[in-house]
Amino acid sequence: DVKVTQSSRYLVKRTGEKVFLECVQDMDHENMFWYRQDPGLGLRLIYFSYDVKMKEKGDIPEGYSVSREKKERFSLILESASTNQTSMYLCASSLMKGKRNTIYFGEGSWLTVV
Amino acid sequence: KNEVEQSPQNLTAQEGEFITINCSYSVGISALHWLQQHPGGGIVSLFMLSSGKKKHGRLIATINIQEKHSSLHITASHPRDSAVYICAVSPNMDSNYQLIWGAGTKLIIKP
Repeated sequence: DVKVTQSSRYLVKRTGEKVFLECVQDMDHENMFWYRQDPGLGLRLIYFSYDVKMKEKGDIPEGYSVSREKKERFSLILESASTNQTSMYLCASSLMKGKRNTIYFGEGSWLTVV
Repeated sequence: KNEVEQSPQNLTAQEGEFITINCSYSVGISALHWLQQHPGGGIVSLFMLSSGKKKHGRLIATINIQEKHSSLHITASHPRDSAVYICAVSPNMDSNYQLIWGAGTKLIIKP
């Protein structure tokens, strides 16, 4: 079975803290994504990566950064957490760009910033 | 106007009913995806299709490329089908790794 694993299911952090959300996939996928999902707004792409050390901004990259040092791992970093970053964060992966590929999601990480 | 529109936004039905969820899009696509999200977060891909029809168990997905429209049908619906169903499209471009997402349809099946 294919698997995308997010390190934390529920987190509570204080305003100003640095937050790391980790995602690991075991399918040797080239593409990895970080989304956030808020009620009424659907899924919004924060960053994606199509190769190791490669990253591209999505629709809402402000306040976030990412790291992809290994193919299987894609980290989302909140440099200084703010209350408006309280949300559910979803990691996903798919095979290389240019092909029609199924996208696989992790279970989601619920982040509350207080 | 959103590039991917789903209808209805919310749907409540009785167990056993035939369910239809619609998705219309306004861009050229290479594929359309249907996904399911249960309460608690995780999203599961149900179908990816670029033409015709696909069936998996009680779920059927159809697409009409000329009309830019897709439907997801659930036959003999069951309370465990209660979830948010999301339509997303892979636009026609060199790299189709960015999906355009619909807002989702929240389905509740009552026993």
